[in-house]
Amino acid sequence: GESVGLHLPTLSVQEGDNSIINCAYSNSASDYFIWYKQESGKGPQFIIDIRSNMDKRQGQRVTVLLNKTVKHLSLQIAATQPGDSAVYFCAESYGNQFYFGTGTSLTVIP
Amino acid sequence: EAGVTQFPSHSVIEKGQTVTLRCDPISGHDNLYWYRRVMGKEIKFLLHFVKESKQDESGMPNNRFLAERTGGTYSTLKVQPAELEDSGVYFCASSQVGSPYEQYFGPGTRLTVT
Repeated sequence: GESVGLHLPTLSVQEGDNSIINCAYSNSASDYFIWYKQESGKGPQFIIDIRSNMDKRQGQRVTVLLNKTVKHLSLQIAATQPGDSAVYFCAESYGNQFYFGTGTSLTVIP
Repeated sequence: EAGVTQFPSHSVIEKGQTVTLRCDPISGHDNLYWYRRVMGKEIKFLLHFVKESKQDESGMPNNRFLAERTGGTYSTLKVQPAELEDSGVYFCASSQVGSPYEQYFGPGTRLTVT
């Protein structure tokens, strides 16, 4: 079955530095990938998505990179701020279903 | 614009009891999803409504779980009878038909079965 996993369960970065959160997926037929941010006590919040026919997409301070050769997805956050501290989930979509990873906890050190 | 809301925020019930969770999606969102996160594990898809129709319910764990979306507005998820392994956080999400991947999640309902 599909599995979406994260390389590191926790990540600490200095405020102002760039953050990179990684994710591996196993289903080469997945056609869409999404990154979510979850703050304490809240539900996951959509950050950015990318289609399987793209390898890079940029948003505001965030960039998602997709490497289909090695089935790897990453989220880059530029100039990380204290408000970026949260758990980040990647998800892949295959058909109508969405498969989530276990999450990476990002802590921003002031 | 109001986001996705869920009720209750937390429910503690005994094994064998019944619990009904409610989700109010964003107005105009025809897609409605239920997910569950068991502690320490990934968020798992349960089912997907398009308006009042169940598009995909393959993620429902067993027949103790019943989801409805009468009228295509709010949705309920009933667990009857609840078992210990049903404990977790139940999330609801909604999206527009044209943007199925841009899902808006509610805050979740934390269910504890004792």
